[in-house]
Amino acid sequence: AQSVSQHNHHVILSEAASLELGCNYSYGGTVNLFWYVQYPGQHLQLLLKYFSGDPLVKGIKGFEAEFIKSKFSFNLRKPSVQWSDTAEYFCAVRLSNYQLIWGAGTKLIIKP
Amino acid sequence: KAGVTQTPRYLIKTRGQQVTLSCSPISGHRSVSWYQQTPGQGLQFLFEYFSETQRNKGNFPGRFSGRQFSNSRSEMNVSTLELGDSALYLCASSARTGGLNSYNEQFFGPGTRLTVL
Repeated sequence: AQSVSQHNHHVILSEAASLELGCNYSYGGTVNLFWYVQYPGQHLQLLLKYFSGDPLVKGIKGFEAEFIKSKFSFNLRKPSVQWSDTAEYFCAVRLSNYQLIWGAGTKLIIKP
Repeated sequence: KAGVTQTPRYLIKTRGQQVTLSCSPISGHRSVSWYQQTPGQGLQFLFEYFSETQRNKGNFPGRFSGRQFSNSRSEMNVSTLELGDSALYLCASSARTGGLNSYNEQFFGPGTRLTVL
C-alpha cells in the first residue's frame, strides 16, 4: 500500500538553527508532492507544492523543499528558523487517482 | 470570502450511536474531501465528493459514509460508533478537481472533534 513516512515526530530547535524535515513515500507512479503546516490553533494550510520541473521548490515564509525522485523523498528545509515556525508539518503525496496520502506529521518546537 | 465551516465543533457520543457531521465549503468550491486526524497517524483520507458524486474513497469501513448536496455542502455520517472513532474530522474544499498537473489548493476547516465514550 502507498504510504508517506515522516521520520521525526518531534523536533526541537533553537532560533536561527537550520531545519530539515524528512519525507519519504512509497509509490512508483507519477506524484505531486506537498507540505502543509498547522500553526497552533489554526487550520492546515499549504506551505509549498511540487508538480514538475525544477526539483527545488520554494514556499511561503522562507521554506523550500527538494524532490529527489531516486530516493522517493521530498524533504523540507529552512536555513534559519524563527520562534513563529513552531507548528506541526505534514508531508502529503497526491497519487495518479488524485487521492492525497498524508504523513503522520512532525511537531516542530522552536525555543526562543 | 468566508472559509470552510464545520459543525458542530465538538461532539461527545457513546458507543453504538451514530453521528452526522456537516461541512460548508468556500463559496464556489465544488470539491469536498473528508479526513480523519488522530495523534501519530496524521490525516487519513475518508472520501472526496465533487458535484454530488463520490470521486474517491479511502480504506474505511462502510460505517463511514458521506454525501454532497447541490449547494456543495457535505455531510459525513458514522454509524455504530466505536471507541476508535474518536478523532478530529477535517473537511477540505477546493475549487475543482483537475488533471494530475493542475492542483487546486485544498482549504481546510477547523474540524469537528468527536469523542466516543
